[in-house]
Amino acid sequence: AQSVTQPDIHITVSEGASLELRCNYSYGATPYLFWYVQSPGQGLQLLLKYFSGDTLVQGIKGFEAEFKRSQSSFNLRKPSVHWSDAAEYFCAVGGYTNAGKSTFGDGTTLTVKP
Amino acid sequence: EPEVTQTPSHQVTQMGQEVILRCVPISNHLYFYWYRQILGQKVEFLVSFYNNEISEKSEIFDDQFSVERPDGSNFTLKIRSTKLEDSAMYFCATGIRPTEAFFGQGTRLTVV
Repeated sequence: AQSVTQPDIHITVSEGASLELRCNYSYGATPYLFWYVQSPGQGLQLLLKYFSGDTLVQGIKGFEAEFKRSQSSFNLRKPSVHWSDAAEYFCAVGGYTNAGKSTFGDGTTLTVKP
Repeated sequence: EPEVTQTPSHQVTQMGQEVILRCVPISNHLYFYWYRQILGQKVEFLVSFYNNEISEKSEIFDDQFSVERPDGSNFTLKIRSTKLEDSAMYFCATGIRPTEAFFGQGTRLTVV
């Protein structure tokens, strides 16, 4: 069975500081990994995805994530956080033939202090 | 930029009533999904749909739920007899291939 763990329920960072959101996954085959962002009352916006190749993937809004197979992790990073980054972030895992049938983590709520 | 459109954005219905949530996928997309997110909880997969039939469904997707693509355009989720616990945000997602899923903005369903 596939699963995703986001260990941090809530993270607070100061504007301009760096950010890392953790994601650990469990999947029986080659995983397809995603990070989504959800602003309050809004839908899910895809930040980035990893299927294969370079393990460091670049996404929108200055985010990047690194796939580490040995650690079953896919952590999201941003070098300098902006106040507009405050939102909920979801990591998700799917398979090659059913990426749309993804399993989501519980989410991490990011608060940005001025 | 093309996007997945969901209507209505908010639906309030009485318990026991039928509701239909609609999704207009991005043109040429072939894979369709419904998810739900109960307030404060994680996003949960409901069903995937391809080639006019259900590909996979979760345990949540019981006989009260159905999906169809009646006119080759809209992709709908029907809940036959709503319960209070069906109150949630429902997301449609579509993709041109099985390795992607673009999400709509969601429909907030409130059952009273």
